[in-house]
Amino acid sequence: AQTVTQSQPEMSVQEAETVTLSCTYDTSESDYYLFWYKQPPSRQMILVIRQEAYKQQNATENRFSVNFQKAAKSFSLKISDSQLGDAAMYFCARRPQGGSEKLVFGKGTKLTVNP
Amino acid sequence: DAGVTQSPTHLIKTRGQQVTLRCSPKSGHDTVSWYQQALGQGPQFIFQYYEEEERQRGNFPDRFSGHQFPNYSSELNVNALLLGDSALYLCASSWWGWTAQPEQYFGPGTRLTVT
Repeated sequence: AQTVTQSQPEMSVQEAETVTLSCTYDTSESDYYLFWYKQPPSRQMILVIRQEAYKQQNATENRFSVNFQKAAKSFSLKISDSQLGDAAMYFCARRPQGGSEKLVFGKGTKLTVNP
Repeated sequence: DAGVTQSPTHLIKTRGQQVTLRCSPKSGHDTVSWYQQALGQGPQFIFQYYEEEERQRGNFPDRFSGHQFPNYSSELNVNALLLGDSALYLCASSWWGWTAQPEQYFGPGTRLTVT
């Protein structure tokens, strides 16, 4: 089975500090996309950042950046200058580049931001 | 620009009944995917519709069926409801020409409770 694993069920961070959420995945494909989604208590799944597997450069979006290690099949999310609004469930997801648009999700990491 | 919308927000049904959930995709999107998110889990892919046809299906029984209309909106139908069908049902839309925009955009979900 091609799975996505998030080994940290819960994480906490102090406001203004940096936190890293881990994700590993299993795939036999060479080309695929990786995503981090945020799901606050409102339930709306919001796209945080995406990474194309063929790109060596790590993606960044403002305070959010990833560390993509293709050989290790690792895709961690770093949140800098954490804000109270960052508190949410964070899901790592993978989809193949060709054909199916099916997303495979991990079980999520609950992030708490302490003031 | 309207995002993905879903109705109803909440629904309570009795075991054995049938339910229909509705989704309108983001403007410009032509593909709709449905996911089931059990409490404390990541979303699981149910199926995807494009050009009014089911293009791919996850590991869900035939009790789960769907439809896509010419305006790209979609319905998810679940027959003979079981207690285990209680979950958050998420609709996600995307553009079939995924090379430019591979990500899926999610609606706020429908919380289904089966008693």
